[in-house]
Amino acid sequence: EVQLVQSGAEVKKPGESLKISCKGSGYSFTSYWIGWVRQMPGKGLEWMGIIYPGDSDTRYSPSFQGQVTISADKSISTAYLQWSSLKASDTAMYYCARYLGVGAAFDYWGQGTLVTVSS
Amino acid sequence: SYVLTQPPSVSVAPGKTARITCGGNNIGSKSVHWYQQKPGQAPVLVIYYDSDRPSGIPERFSGSNSGNTATLTISRVEAGDEADYYCQVWDSSSDHNCVFGGGTKLTVL
Repeated sequence: EVQLVQSGAEVKKPGESLKISCKGSGYSFTSYWIGWVRQMPGKGLEWMGIIYPGDSDTRYSPSFQGQVTISADKSISTAYLQWSSLKASDTAMYYCARYLGVGAAFDYWGQGTLVTVSS
Repeated sequence: SYVLTQPPSVSVAPGKTARITCGGNNIGSKSVHWYQQKPGQAPVLVIYYDSDRPSGIPERFSGSNSGNTATLTISRVEAGDEADYYCQVWDSSSDHNCVFGGGTKLTVL
């Protein structure tokens, strides 16, 4: 069974750093891209970027370039999304999802990680 | 950048047919995927490559795509279909650039 299991909810203060994770199982982790999607409270889905764990090829949405870092450790089938200095506006639910390649759909999604940034 | 336009809301009575549109410039030349998101849950793929259904998705869900509009059709709507629906494409003008529509809230009356 394909699963993407994300790390738990986080509460952070502005300026703090954070790294959340997405662990894949039940499939060849290095054969699918992993994408990250933001959903701010009461809002729609926003694509942040993607990584191919097989070779760590990474692409970012122009809206998120320089704001976050996407990485992966294929030895433990885990992708990451990290911030070096959080802002209150980073408060959102973050989802990881896998897809086969450009043009394909996100066929499996993680359960989401809620990040709350508040002083 | 490429823009997808969805109506904010669609309402339908149980047993009737709901149609949710997704507009984009020459969207018919792209592959469109649709996701259902119920409150407090992660999105679920309901239609991929314009009109294919993943296993486990009822036949009541169908999709079409032509010209400047893609459409998700839900036949014999049930109360459990009430959710937000998002269309999604890859913008071929930019390598690996994913675009989501703004989402449509389907209300079952």
